[in-house]
Formats: sequence, C-alpha cells, structure tokens
Amino acid sequence: GAVVSQHPSRVICKSGTSVKIECRSLDFQATTMFWYRQFPKQSLMLMATSNEGSKATYEQGVEKDKFLINHASLTLSTLTVTSAHPEDSSFYICSAREQGTTGELFFGEGSRLTVL
Amino acid sequence: EDQVTQSPEALRLQEGESSSLNCSYTVSGLRGLFWYRQDPGKGPEFLFTLYSAGEEKEKERLKATLTKKESFLHITAPKPEDSATYLCAVRGGSGGYQKVTFGTGTKLQVIP
Repeated sequence: GAVVSQHPSRVICKSGTSVKIECRSLDFQATTMFWYRQFPKQSLMLMATSNEGSKATYEQGVEKDKFLINHASLTLSTLTVTSAHPEDSSFYICSAREQGTTGELFFGEGSRLTVL
Repeated sequence: EDQVTQSPEALRLQEGESSSLNCSYTVSGLRGLFWYRQDPGKGPEFLFTLYSAGEEKEKERLKATLTKKESFLHITAPKPEDSATYLCAVRGGSGGYQKVTFGTGTKLQVIP
C-alpha cells in the first residue's frame, strides 16, 4: 500500500511554544490529507481536511488559529500547534488518500505531543 | 450523522481460537467500509475496503464481510502477533465532501 511518513514521532515542548508536525506521502501524490487526533481508548477524531494549494477545512469545534495547517505541495502537509498548552497533549495522526483512488486512507505513524 | 459502533470493546483469545469482531454502522450513502489494524503508539494500518453488501475480502487469517448494517472481521486460528486494536470506519455522504467516521475499536489480545 501507499506510504505516509510523519515526523516527529514524539515531541515534548513547554507550554506556550509552537510545534510543527510534518506529513509526507512518499510514493504517491495526495491533493487531500487529513489530520486526526486520538485520545487514549477513543476513536480517531477528524480535526481538519488539508487541501493542496487552498485553505484547510476544519471540523466543528477545532480552533483554526490554534491548529494551523499548510498543504504547500502534493506530498507535504504540516500541522502547527500554536501556543501549546497541556490540554493539547495527544496523539496526532495524518492520513492521505491517493489521488484518483476510491477511498482508502493511508496513515502516518503518528506524533505523540506532550506539553509540559 | 454517520455512526460506527464496534463490539466487543476488548477480546481475549487463546492462540488458535477463532472469533469475530463486529462493526455496526449507520451512514448516509455508504462509499466504503474500512478495516484497520492499530498497534500501540502507531498509526492505523490499512487492511480492507468493502463497498457493497455481500462483499468479502481475505488476507491471511483475516476475513472481512459486509451487510447493509454491519461488518464482521473474522479471525481464524489467531496468533499472538495478531494482537492489536482493530478499527472500523465508514465513508459516507455525497458530492465532494465524504467524511470518514471511525469506531472506537476492538482491542484484541491473543494469548500463546
């Protein structure tokens, strides 16, 4: 299957700082990428849909100014958690759908964010 | 709103003891039902896509089936390496926006 790479896998930061997470599709082009957040023993919650060359579409309740998404190329999307607070600590996972296919999402390895 | 309910929440099997995981769903215009495997601290790994009732897919010890209201993931003679959380998701809706909704998963433990 298609490969999606996410970096970093773990990050620890101080409260008030910003953290950037990268998501790359390694062997395919993805006009659309998705960012999820997962709490322990809970389902993956879609945060936003990242569209190459245009603004991201955020789900209800997700702060656009806090979770900045940039999708500058067909293989790269970034999520920046701005002014992070302890409640932002979570597992963030990106996914991508191969251009022209019918539906499977391929996921990155996930990024564990811990805000002190 | 699309909904996905998985059961049981957790399942403990002896090695070789076959069983099934259930995924019940309600969706407006099913565009695909997906099964994923997720290991602790990792992103989900794609297993299967099913599109229409009656469809079945197999991969090694896993077999996924689909009806109009639910999907089953059958595990035949599981091994300890099959231990993981299995996630079910549906893609529904029409037009350009088709959201994928995930269940909370079934945590499978296979004991040697």
